[in-house]
Amino acid sequence: GAGVSQSPSNKVTEKGKDVELRCDPISGHTALYWYRQSLGQGLEFLIYFQGNSAPDKSGLPSDRFSAERTGGSVSTLTIQRTQQEDSAVYLCASSLRIRLGSGAEDTQYFGPGTRLTVL
Amino acid sequence: LAKTTQPISMDSYEGQEVNITCSHNNIATNDYITWYQQFPSQGPRFIIQGYKTKVTNEVASLFIPADRKSSTLSLPRVSLSDTAVYYCLSMGAYKYIFGTGTRLKVLA
Repeated sequence: GAGVSQSPSNKVTEKGKDVELRCDPISGHTALYWYRQSLGQGLEFLIYFQGNSAPDKSGLPSDRFSAERTGGSVSTLTIQRTQQEDSAVYLCASSLRIRLGSGAEDTQYFGPGTRLTVL
Repeated sequence: LAKTTQPISMDSYEGQEVNITCSHNNIATNDYITWYQQFPSQGPRFIIQGYKTKVTNEVASLFIPADRKSSTLSLPRVSLSDTAVYYCLSMGAYKYIFGTGTRLKVLA
């Protein structure tokens, strides 16, 4: 079946411009996550959506970052007034977010990412 | 503050077994530990997941001690195509905490 897709694959923008990054999760997955990966670095959690619950925005680095998930499916990450330090690969993942008995089993499936370059 | 650490890099030869250990404090009692593999310019790919003791699938084994403060990914008989960055993931205090990543290089 289709995996997680993201668009665009690459985005080059000028400092101060706004950008929108899109994520199409796997159909039926209730949970959706955004991460940021700077060059040569690990993954930094940004935001998490679970069904109709309020999103966990605790990882967003500043108020210039926001995300929406419409209809429980597609998500858009928006970065306003981009800065050079925003340059990174932005990864989206989705999962079934199964919580079984004594634990939370949550296999995340990642998209290919959007490489954002802010000049 | 939750922190998950791994060795920065490892080298191995084809055919050898590779063990990568992740240490993580503040892991939530009921949450799982997952390992991912990432190739350049690709998103991470799921390898294995477990809660405690040992889990094995067709590509790897995962060992988690009773205190769950660490986990060890075991890759049997690695090949050149296993050269990648490996990340462990745990949920600490309801946050997704990825390890710092271990860059594995498999040599011929």
